[in-house]
Amino acid sequence: NAGVTQTPKFQVLKTGQSMTLQCAQDMNHEYMSWYRQDPGMGLRLIHYSVGAGITDQGEVPNGYNVSRSTTEDFPLRLLSAAPSQTSVYFCASRKRLAGGQETQYFGPGTRLLVL
Amino acid sequence: AQSVTQPDIHITVSEGASLELRCNYSYGATPYLFWYVQSPGQGLQLLLKYFSGDTLVQGIKGFEAEFKRSQSSFNLRKPSVHWSDAAEYFCVCSNDYKLSFGAGTTVTVRA
Repeated sequence: NAGVTQTPKFQVLKTGQSMTLQCAQDMNHEYMSWYRQDPGMGLRLIHYSVGAGITDQGEVPNGYNVSRSTTEDFPLRLLSAAPSQTSVYFCASRKRLAGGQETQYFGPGTRLLVL
Repeated sequence: AQSVTQPDIHITVSEGASLELRCNYSYGATPYLFWYVQSPGQGLQLLLKYFSGDTLVQGIKGFEAEFKRSQSSFNLRKPSVHWSDAAEYFCVCSNDYKLSFGAGTTVTVRA
């Protein structure tokens, strides 16, 4: 298994540009989510999905869109990038096991700089 | 809504000394709790997790954490730190759909 993969690793955008951060997992996990990490704030949830075709907003969804057309992929779209979206973005997937335990996997992160 | 508080933003400890990182959570039901570590420029690595049962949890790299329901705490400890333990540590609480992260504690290890 490749686990959770993210592309690109690093991206520079100009204000107003759009782009899609890719996230894929090959573990057949139901739950996937996107977080952004900013200094002193930990990771904050942007959007999450509990299965194909189902998405919902997290703590900081403004400026971001998501879709989940397949179990494997969960892309994050920035429609019009702003400097405030400069951050490190992590994709994660989770699977609940019998007895309630869960296994979580994080991607390696995408560093985004918006000028 | 669930939340996680890490009261210490930054801790400096001497190599070989003990380390304790504090974590308090707010959650209505029985929480699932985790500690993650992140080295500079790196991703997140799971140190340990608590779901139920024994309240003292052993993790990797010699870390352990103790769940105390009465204090809503899940503090992380290590008896003797190594220089390689310098990193940022995150306490995390999980519900059905999402993870809530604390703001993180940065650990500096001095020789």
